[in-house]
Amino acid sequence: AQKITQTQPGMFVQEKEAVTLDCTYDTSDQSYGLFWYKQPSSGEMIFLIYQGSYDEQNATEGRYSLNFQKARKSANLVISASQLGDSAMYFCAMALLNSGYALNFGKGTSLLVTP
Amino acid sequence: DTGVSQDPRHKITKRGQNVTFRCDPISEHNRLYWYRQTLGQGPEFLTYFQNEAQLEKSRLLSDRFSAERPKGSFSTLEIQRTEQGDSAMYLCASSVKMGAGGYTFGSGTRLTVV
Repeated sequence: AQKITQTQPGMFVQEKEAVTLDCTYDTSDQSYGLFWYKQPSSGEMIFLIYQGSYDEQNATEGRYSLNFQKARKSANLVISASQLGDSAMYFCAMALLNSGYALNFGKGTSLLVTP
Repeated sequence: DTGVSQDPRHKITKRGQNVTFRCDPISEHNRLYWYRQTLGQGPEFLTYFQNEAQLEKSRLLSDRFSAERPKGSFSTLEIQRTEQGDSAMYLCASSVKMGAGGYTFGSGTRLTVV
């Protein structure tokens, strides 16, 4: 069974600072994808970044980067230059290539960016 | 393409009533997923379809829940004999591939059982 663990229920960061949100995963499959989603108070799920299990380079999308450590089974999200609008819930998720691509989510981390 | 549409956005029902939600995926997406999200938690997988075939169901999907995707287009999720514990946001997503931007989520249907 696959499992996603996010150990930080809540995080604070000051505007313009960088913040790392932790995510570890557990699977015996070799082919999988790792995702981060942002969910603001409006409820929509906003895709941020994707890392494939065979990708050798860490993924980056603008201010978001994914610190992928395959041997440690971790996929931490780094947000650089935090903005007030980054305040939201952040979910790490994994999909297995051999299991219909269904996303399995962690419990999430609530991020609050302060002025 | 207007993305994934879910209807209704909100539903309040009395305990014991049946409710049905609809999801219209992106037309070229052959995979469709239903999730349930309770307050402060991550979305929990319920079931998924590839075209019209329901290929996987979570243990969370009790026999009061049924989902269909006739003709591989829109999907419906029905909950019979609703219970207060069914109160949650029900999210639908569709995809055609795994990868960056491969999944599109709807805005969800918020169910309140009173």
